[in-house]
Amino acid sequence: GNSVTQMEGPVTLSEEAFLTINCTYTATGYPSLFWYVQYPGEGLQLLLKATKADDKGSNKGFEATYRKETTSFHLEKGSVQVSDSAVYFCALGANGANSKLTFGKGITLSVRP
Amino acid sequence: DGGITQSPKYLFRKEGQNVTLSCEQNLNHDAMYWYRQDPGQGLRLIYYSQIVNDFQKGDIAEGYSVSREKKESFPLTVTSAQKNPTAFYLCASRGTGVTGELFFGEGSRLTVL
Repeated sequence: GNSVTQMEGPVTLSEEAFLTINCTYTATGYPSLFWYVQYPGEGLQLLLKATKADDKGSNKGFEATYRKETTSFHLEKGSVQVSDSAVYFCALGANGANSKLTFGKGITLSVRP
Repeated sequence: DGGITQSPKYLFRKEGQNVTLSCEQNLNHDAMYWYRQDPGQGLRLIYYSQIVNDFQKGDIAEGYSVSREKKESFPLTVTSAQKNPTAFYLCASRGTGVTGELFFGEGSRLTVL
């Protein structure tokens, strides 16, 4: 079945540091890949997505590239801000209206001033 | 505004009582989902429904029940059979696009005393 593995957390960075959060996946076929963000006490919001190999999703300075050869979808940001402190989830979903999303365990990012 | 509304945001109940969490969406989405979130365990799928009057068990359905009598509503009942009900519950919906992402509500935090 499908699965998503995220790097262990939590991660603590200083403001303006470079961020990488690793995500690898196991899936049959060609799923879509997603990064969601959850701010304290809230639900999840879609941060970015990629629907096929070599696609790059980007939003709010975050980027992730769909790498089929390494089955990865690592999240990066060149300069983090305190407001980026949140929990980040990697997810995959098989294409098609009847599919479900499979989530990683999430990783907590704390950015200090 | 279009979106998903969960209520209540916080709920306290005594052991042995059934509790119903509300989820309403005005996005005209066919598919709706309930997830449970516990610290360090990511999101686990409880139940999902792809169409009115139909629903399927997810990975952790024991002790929960749902109904889908209307397209816009997907309430979750946490029964007394659920051994560890204290958690953060998230409702989501998904459009019919091939690569459609999930849209989440803000969550309901249930605490059983």
